[in-house]
Amino acid sequence: GAGVSQSPSNKVTEKGKDVELRCDPISGHTALYWYRQSLGQGLEFLIYFQGNSAPDKSGLPSDRFSAERTGGSVSTLTIQRTQQEDSAVYLCASSLGPSSYNEQFFGPGTRLTVL
Amino acid sequence: ELKVEQNPLFLSMQEGKNYTIYCNYSTTSDRLYWYRQDPGKSLESLFVLLSNGAVKQEGRLMASLDTKARLSTLHITAAVHDLSATYFCAVDQASGGTSYGKLTFGQGTILTVHP
Repeated sequence: GAGVSQSPSNKVTEKGKDVELRCDPISGHTALYWYRQSLGQGLEFLIYFQGNSAPDKSGLPSDRFSAERTGGSVSTLTIQRTQQEDSAVYLCASSLGPSSYNEQFFGPGTRLTVL
Repeated sequence: ELKVEQNPLFLSMQEGKNYTIYCNYSTTSDRLYWYRQDPGKSLESLFVLLSNGAVKQEGRLMASLDTKARLSTLHITAAVHDLSATYFCAVDQASGGTSYGKLTFGQGTILTVHP
């Protein structure tokens, strides 16, 4: 079946611009996660959505970062006023939810470059 | 704060040799995951370990979990070139079957298998 998909695959932007990254989870998966992978910081958790519950935003690095999940499916991660330190690969994952194995399946990622 | 540490971070092996990657974590958890990442690619799920003493094997890779020691190992038997990749362990700060959702990743072990 279809896996997690993300778009765009690459995004180059200028410092100060806003960007939106999109994630389509595996159908039927109630949990959706955003992570960031960078050379300096490794793999970092950003935000977690589970069903209709309030998201766990504890990993968002600043208030320039926000995310929403519409209709319990597609999610958008928005970074406002991008900075060079935001350059990273942004990975989305989905799972059947915390009551299961919670095995998370990752999408191909969006490589963000802030010039 | 949960910390996950892998060692070694770099591993250069000859084909046919055996080796072990170690993953230590700092707080109680009974859910641990191993992922593989090829250069420029996303994360591929390898193993899900859900209880103390869990052992999973797939081909030349075997993973185990000791929750009392807060240690997981990934053992490579008779390495082949195709195993060259970066391997991550990740911990879900779960307890009593309830997942916290987000994963905390180790730094990754870059494995290179030489002929």
